[in-house]
Amino acid sequence: EDKVVQSPLSLVVHEGDTVTLNCSYEVTNFRSLLWYKQEKKAPTFLFMLTSSGIEKKSGRLSSILDKKELFSILNITATQTGDSAVYLCAGQIIQGAQKLVFGQGTRLTINP
Amino acid sequence: KAGVTQTPRYLIKTRGQQVTLSCSPISGHRSVSWYQQTPGQGLQFLFEYFSETQRNKGNFPGRFSGRQFSNSRSEMNVSTLELGDSALYLCASSLGGIKDQPQHFGDGTRLSIL
Repeated sequence: EDKVVQSPLSLVVHEGDTVTLNCSYEVTNFRSLLWYKQEKKAPTFLFMLTSSGIEKKSGRLSSILDKKELFSILNITATQTGDSAVYLCAGQIIQGAQKLVFGQGTRLTINP
Repeated sequence: KAGVTQTPRYLIKTRGQQVTLSCSPISGHRSVSWYQQTPGQGLQFLFEYFSETQRNKGNFPGRFSGRQFSNSRSEMNVSTLELGDSALYLCASSLGGIKDQPQHFGDGTRLSIL
């Protein structure tokens, strides 16, 4: 059975800290790994990782995929209170078929 | 560009009733997927439609069904509602073509079963 596991499930840090969120996966016919940020409503797309070892960056956020060890990390540097959210990791199966298998999410709280 | 639009935003139903949820994808997107989100199970895949055809289906009972129209809009139907169907139902759209494209989510329909 396809499985995506995120750790930690919950994390509380102070503003300005750097955080690393983890995601491991066992997904048959794996194609891509996606990260989303969910505040109160719709999950917002952050990154899609298809190739191993290539870091993707967007401002203070970055992510990398290791297809050999079957995991990905999401880094957030110089955290701000607006980064408080649930971060979701999902494995996408095969090209063309838009099925995502989600992890439980990491609830990140940034205290001022 | 308008995002994914889901209607209604909130619904309250009683056990045994049926419900229809609607999703309008981002313009130009041909793939629409539906997910159920609950505190206990997280986000779970229901089904995906592309060009009016169901391409993939998750492990949900037959009470959950969907369809897609020629303009890519999609509807999801749940019949004989049970208390456990209370959840946030999220719709996501993508181009759905050969190249990898991320799914973009709507704000969801929160369904409460009394």
